[in-house]
Amino acid sequence: NAGVTQTPKFQVLKTGQSMTLQCAQDMNHEYMSWYRQDPGMGLRLIHYSVGAGITDQGEVPNGYNVSRSTTEDFPLRLLSAAPSQTSVYFCASSYSGTGNPFDQPQHFGDGTRLSIL
Amino acid sequence: AQRVTQPEKLLSVFKGAPVELKCNYSYSGSPELFWYVQYSRQRLQLLLRHISRESIKGFTADLNKGETSFHLKKPFAQEEDSAMYYCALSSSYNTDKLIFGTGTRLQVFP
Repeated sequence: NAGVTQTPKFQVLKTGQSMTLQCAQDMNHEYMSWYRQDPGMGLRLIHYSVGAGITDQGEVPNGYNVSRSTTEDFPLRLLSAAPSQTSVYFCASSYSGTGNPFDQPQHFGDGTRLSIL
Repeated sequence: AQRVTQPEKLLSVFKGAPVELKCNYSYSGSPELFWYVQYSRQRLQLLLRHISRESIKGFTADLNKGETSFHLKKPFAQEEDSAMYYCALSSSYNTDKLIFGTGTRLQVFP
């Protein structure tokens, strides 16, 4: 199993450009989430999904869109990139068969380092 | 609102010294608390959760509801413990969100 795969690993964008960060998992996990990691601010939840077709907002959703058309994939879209979105983005997934997605450990990807000029 | 506070950005100790990484939370219900760790060049991973009440790699953490704390402790630090540590909380009411603290970097010197 590859676990959680994030692409690309690095990306530089200009202000106003759009971009999709990809996240895929091969563990048949129902729960998936996106975090951004910024110095001094830890990990902040952007969006999450409890299953295909279901998404919801986290702590910092503004400027980001998500969709969950399949169990495996959970892409994060920046429609019009801003310098404030420069960050490292992490995707995570977990099994939630018990109803609580945190009964099992969250599996994190390697992250995508995004710079917006 | 749920909130996790880790007051120390950096904690430096010598090998063999005791370690305590502080975590305080704000939540009015019954929380679930976790410690996650990120070693250099590795993925973020779960270290332990309060409900398991187990010791992982010599680390323990006790949930103190009176003080709303979940401090991570190890009696004798090792160099390989050097990493970024995050405390995280999910609520019994809304179990769909995992909220992280700002993290504490632990440096263990030889």
